[in-house]
Amino acid sequence: NAGVTQTPKFRILKIGQSMTLQCTQDMNHNYMYWYRQDPGMGLKLIYYSVGAGITDKGEVPNGYNVSRSTTEDFPLRLELAAPSQTSVYFCASSDLRDSNEKLFFGSGTQLSVL
Amino acid sequence: AQRVTQPEKLLSVFKGAPVELKCNYSYSGSPELFWYVQYSRQRLQLLLRHISRESIKGFTADLNKGETSFHLKKPFAQEEDSAMYYCALTGTYKYIFGTGTRLKVLA
Repeated sequence: NAGVTQTPKFRILKIGQSMTLQCTQDMNHNYMYWYRQDPGMGLKLIYYSVGAGITDKGEVPNGYNVSRSTTEDFPLRLELAAPSQTSVYFCASSDLRDSNEKLFFGSGTQLSVL
Repeated sequence: AQRVTQPEKLLSVFKGAPVELKCNYSYSGSPELFWYVQYSRQRLQLLLRHISRESIKGFTADLNKGETSFHLKKPFAQEEDSAMYYCALTGTYKYIFGTGTRLKVLA
């Protein structure tokens, strides 16, 4: 049981490049989330999904896209990377049918856009 | 508006001293409140949630609905408590996090 797996762990992009951050979970959770963590700003919700085929915007969705074709996978797409997207990205999942309702986090992706 | 406020970015205490990390929230309804912790080079993980009313690693947090607060407390800080602490709430299926407080416990 690997939990939430994110790849890559580190990436450097040039301005204007695109990339996909991968996230997969093996806990059969319906709810998945993408956060970015900036120093002094805490965790900001980018996008979330309540199940396969359903996604919605969070607090800071501009410049990102997501898809949820399966329960397990929730990739985050950056189409035209900008320096403002330099951050640490965390994927998380939860199962609100479980009374614990806690979030399970991935190990994070450190992204630098230069 | 849904909001979680952690007023302190950094809190430094000496080992053995009491610790209180402040958290206030704004939510129209009955949210669930949580504390998450991120130790150095580790994943964010749940520390405790108000509904459990439990003590984890000596930490407790009481939900005060009148003051809309959920402060995290520990009577005697340990060096291994040094970490980033996030207060969070969820009312439906979206978590809202505060900006975090870095706790440094000095020897």
